Amino acid sequence: DTGVSQDPRHKITKRGQNVTFRCDPISEHNRLYWYRQTLGQGPEFLTYFQNEAQLEKSRLLSDRFSAERPKGSFSTLEIQRTEQGDSAMYLCASSYEQPSSYNSPLHFGNGTRLTVT
Amino acid sequence: AQKVTQAQTEISVVEKEDVTLDCVYETRDTTYYLFWYKQPPSGELVFLIRRNSFDEQNEISGRYSWNFQKSTSSFNFTITASQVVDSAVYFCALIETSGSRLTFGEGTQLTVNP
Repeated sequence: DTGVSQDPRHKITKRGQNVTFRCDPISEHNRLYWYRQTLGQGPEFLTYFQNEAQLEKSRLLSDRFSAERPKGSFSTLEIQRTEQGDSAMYLCASSYEQPSSYNSPLHFGNGTRLTVT
Repeated sequence: AQKVTQAQTEISVVEKEDVTLDCVYETRDTTYYLFWYKQPPSGELVFLIRRNSFDEQNEISGRYSWNFQKSTSSFNFTITASQVVDSAVYFCALIETSGSRLTFGEGTQLTVNP
C-alpha cells in the first residue's frame, strides 16, 4: 500500500493558462474523490468516481473544470482558463467502498497546491 | 443539508496539557457517520476515527478520546497529555449514509508549545 499519490505537489501558473493534475489512488480502491481546500478552510467536495464513471459533481465544479478517470485507475483534474480564485490545495482521496463503510475511510493524498498569479 | 461547525479556530497549549476540540454537526438523516482527520504541515489528511450515529459509546485510543453526544449533536475530541507532535489542523467531518461526500468543518489549528 503506497498511499494516494498526487502530482505535481506545487503548480504556479498565470491567469488564463490551463493546468492538469494527476491522482493515483490506492490500487485496490474503486472510488476516487477530488476535494478543494482553500486557506483556513476545510476541504470541499468537487467530484467522485466509481471505477471510470463520474457519479457526482459539486456545483463548485464550474464548466472550466473537468475530471476524468479513463481506465478506472488514475484520475486527472483539468482547470481551463485559470483564475486567481482557483488558487487552492486540490486533494485527491480514494476508498474501497463508500466512506461510511466500516473499514473504508477516505485515504487522502498530499495534495497539489495551485497558485494562480 | 449537512453542516459541521468547529467554533475554535485556533488553540494553543503547553505540552502535557489536555485539550478538547469541539465539533457540532447538523443533518436531517437519522443515520450518519462522523470522522476526525488530522492535517499536519505536510498537508496530508490523516484519518483518526469514524463513528456511526447508532454508536454513542465513547472511544479511547491511547492519548486520544472522543465524546459523541447525539442529544447535543456534538462529537468532541480530547487529547490527553498533549505533545508537540500533536500540532496540526484537526478536522471534524460528517457523511450521511445516503451520500458519498464528506462535509468538513473549517478545522481547528492546534499548537502545542514545548
